[in-house]
Amino acid sequence: GQSLEQPSEVTAVEGAIVQINCTYQTSGFYGLSWYQQHDGGAPTFLSYNALDGLEETGRFSSFLSRSDSYGYLLLQELQMKDSASYFCAWMDSSYKLIFGSGTRLLVRP
Amino acid sequence: SAVISQKPSRDICQRGTSLTIQCQVDSQVTMMFWYRQQPGQSLTLIATANQGSEATYESGFVIDKFPISRPNLTFSTLTVSNMSPEDSSIYLCSAKPGTGNNEQFFGPGTRLTVL
Repeated sequence: GQSLEQPSEVTAVEGAIVQINCTYQTSGFYGLSWYQQHDGGAPTFLSYNALDGLEETGRFSSFLSRSDSYGYLLLQELQMKDSASYFCAWMDSSYKLIFGSGTRLLVRP
Repeated sequence: SAVISQKPSRDICQRGTSLTIQCQVDSQVTMMFWYRQQPGQSLTLIATANQGSEATYESGFVIDKFPISRPNLTFSTLTVSNMSPEDSSIYLCSAKPGTGNNEQFFGPGTRLTVL
């Protein structure tokens, strides 16, 4: 079966850098996505990695190591509005997403 | 990009009844999916809504309980049949615009409470 593990909760201060890890066990792996979800809101796309390495989009970066079945999301210059849940999600060749357990990020002043 | 709307946004239903949730996308999309999310939990994929053919269900979900329609490239429905309190959850639809884009867009969700 497929499983994606993330830390359940992370706390950081405003302006800091935080890394959210995701380890996975899947078959038919196609790529790893990251989504952000604020309480009561819909998940929104942050990034996607199909190949090993780092993808950077503004304050957010995502990394993938297929050989280690591991990825992470890096958030820099944290802002209060970054307090949300973050999900890694495995994508297969049919484009369906299998979501990780989710990490609740709390940014403190 | 794609903007997705869902109706109803929330509902309270009696056990044994059925509810149909509608998902409308503002543009034609390649793929549409249905997910379920308990508050504070992760998203669980229910099925892929296939245009013009039967939906593809994930393990643990069956067509008799969650019939899905997708009559065209912008619209899909999910019915939650013969509801029980265990079906209380948030149901979200998502859409993937094209094969060259790996981003999925999500609707705002339908919050269902079954009494």
